[in-house]
Amino acid sequence: GAVVSQHPSWVICKSGTSVKIECRSLDFQATTMFWYRQFPKQSLMLMATSNEGSKATYEQGVEKDKFLINHASLTLSTLTVTSAHPEDSSFYICSARPGSGRGTDTQYFGPGTRLTVL
Amino acid sequence: GDSVTQMEGPVTLSEEAFLTINCTYTATGYPSLFWYVQYPGEGLQLLLKATKADDKGSNKGFEATYRKETTSFHLEKGSVQVSDSAVYFCSVGGSNYKLTFGKGTLLTVNP
Repeated sequence: GAVVSQHPSWVICKSGTSVKIECRSLDFQATTMFWYRQFPKQSLMLMATSNEGSKATYEQGVEKDKFLINHASLTLSTLTVTSAHPEDSSFYICSARPGSGRGTDTQYFGPGTRLTVL
Repeated sequence: GDSVTQMEGPVTLSEEAFLTINCTYTATGYPSLFWYVQYPGEGLQLLLKATKADDKGSNKGFEATYRKETTSFHLEKGSVQVSDSAVYFCSVGGSNYKLTFGKGTLLTVNP
């Protein structure tokens, strides 16, 4: 149980294009979803917190117009990297927190999306 | 804000050796504590957690005890396997369910 999927698992795009990453909770409803960025051999950096039906809350230093987050339903959140540039290349990981039942204090992570911007 | 200090790696062990990865934290209130594991090229998997003082989380032979008096949550395993090779992250759950992570510890287990 508590499975979170991400799509795509990897993507390569040209500089200036936009890329959308989906995060789905497959067997539970997620009140809250989180988006992280991870650089090689480093820890996870929280980018934003997303609550269903409301605007995402971004961490300091994260450009909200660059990283658009939509949490349209209790099982789906999307991250769109707009006008991507090589410095946006990274491993993006989402997590989801159940709204009820087991582990409401626990985040369950997706497998991550490797973004490479050429 | 919350912070996590985690033993720096890398840690290299032989199969069946004893493992300890130290983790201490600073946080207000009574946070939940977590250990996550990340295999190469993958996201994080919850390994174990503890939600209150003196709780022991355990899974797959790994254990960690929530020690409020020492603000620690050290990860232990009595006999590691090659398949345990991964990066281990200690984390503390703060307000609004946000997680603060340690820097991660790379464990390599050799046969």
